Amino acid sequence: DTAVSQTPKYLVTQMGNDKSIKCEQNLGHDTMYWYKQDSKKFLKIMFSYNNKELIINETVPNRFSPKSPDKAHLNLHINSLELGDSAVYFCASSQGAIGGYGANVLTFGAGSRLTVL
Amino acid sequence: KNEVEQSPQNLTAQEGEFITINCSYSVGISALHWLQQHPGGGIVSLFMLSSGKKKHGRLIATINIQEKHSSLHITASHPRDSAVYICAVRVGGNEKLTFGTGTRLTIIP
Repeated sequence: DTAVSQTPKYLVTQMGNDKSIKCEQNLGHDTMYWYKQDSKKFLKIMFSYNNKELIINETVPNRFSPKSPDKAHLNLHINSLELGDSAVYFCASSQGAIGGYGANVLTFGAGSRLTVL
Repeated sequence: KNEVEQSPQNLTAQEGEFITINCSYSVGISALHWLQQHPGGGIVSLFMLSSGKKKHGRLIATINIQEKHSSLHITASHPRDSAVYICAVRVGGNEKLTFGTGTRLTIIP
């Protein structure tokens, strides 16, 4: 059983389109994250939700909007896609804050490769 | 300058060699993670540590908080250890992780 699953795995789209990436975890974790990995393989946090509440919102364009309908799901919607949005997007989850008391390694999804043409 | 620096950037070694990957950071942290990204892209969390040393199989991670430095060691390296190893730190009470740029390890049979 996949612990953190993302869909789609690959997404190719035109500039200006709107697209969504979905993430689900079946680990019972209460915290979920979206990370972006650029072409240089550098990972950077975008958003984090704890029990459906946004707790991290890095300097990400407003075109990116996370949605957490419940603590097992964290979806990422991107409006008006731009060439620079091309990257691999990783969803991850943890129980409790990462590095906090009693916590907690991250479990990553397999990644979603977004290519904007 | 990135807050988290890893060295070397690339490392090629023969099977069986002892491997050391280093991570230095410039700020006070509450925890440090070592991650492994496989050639296929998947990321696995290897260790989370805030002091001392942890061991899992052939992997050992150490951290020196005073020196702001961590090392990841692999004993008896094997071609399947070939991957990118990423160091990430949690700063204080901040929830986010700041990542290093990764070390690409290639183990030759």
